[in-house]
Amino acid sequence: DAGVIQSPRHEVTEMGQEVTLRCKPISGHNSLFWYRQTMMRGLELLIYFNNNVPIDDSGMPEDRFSAKMPNASFSTLKIQPSEPRDSAVYFCASSSGARGYTFGSGTRLTVV
Amino acid sequence: GENVEQHPSTLSVQEGDSAVIKCTYSDSASNYFPWYKQELGKGPQLIIDIRSNVGEKKDQRIAVTLNKTAKHFSLHITETQPEDSAVYFCAATLLGGNMLTFGGGTRLMVKP
Repeated sequence: DAGVIQSPRHEVTEMGQEVTLRCKPISGHNSLFWYRQTMMRGLELLIYFNNNVPIDDSGMPEDRFSAKMPNASFSTLKIQPSEPRDSAVYFCASSSGARGYTFGSGTRLTVV
Repeated sequence: GENVEQHPSTLSVQEGDSAVIKCTYSDSASNYFPWYKQELGKGPQLIIDIRSNVGEKKDQRIAVTLNKTAKHFSLHITETQPEDSAVYFCAATLLGGNMLTFGGGTRLMVKP
């Protein structure tokens, strides 16, 4: 298995632009999580899907953030419009519930 | 909900010494406790986990201990090596419940 695959690995964008981060979970995992990591706040859970359905989005910071999971093998996290304070590393993780999460390699987002 | 506290936030040891990272959790129903290692530029990786029906688990130089009564669990690394330098996260959950609650992380630095 290739693990959790995230793209792009790095993204640099200008303030106000739309940013879309992508994630392919491990096949057979029924839960998917989006995290944001910064030096100041550590790992923050943004949203959690179970069987493609959003279960908990209380961590989504603002309406500028949205996430979708149209099928079991793909999820997106969109920021529109992006702001400099959104600069962080965004991780996707998946789980089967039987053990801990498997994290992707992350997307380093820089908004200038 | 669950709350996980992790200490210390930074830990510096000499190569060959032991390192201990401690976590406490609040929800007595939690029964699964994974530990993650995050190296620079990578996502957190599961390194060892323990379930509440076990008090200790070892895997080569790393071991985890769990005290259910006190709601404490710890990661022990013996004979530390420079490649052990990373950020370590503890977590807790009810197995099958999917949602992991993470501690704040410990930055371990092993000095050669």
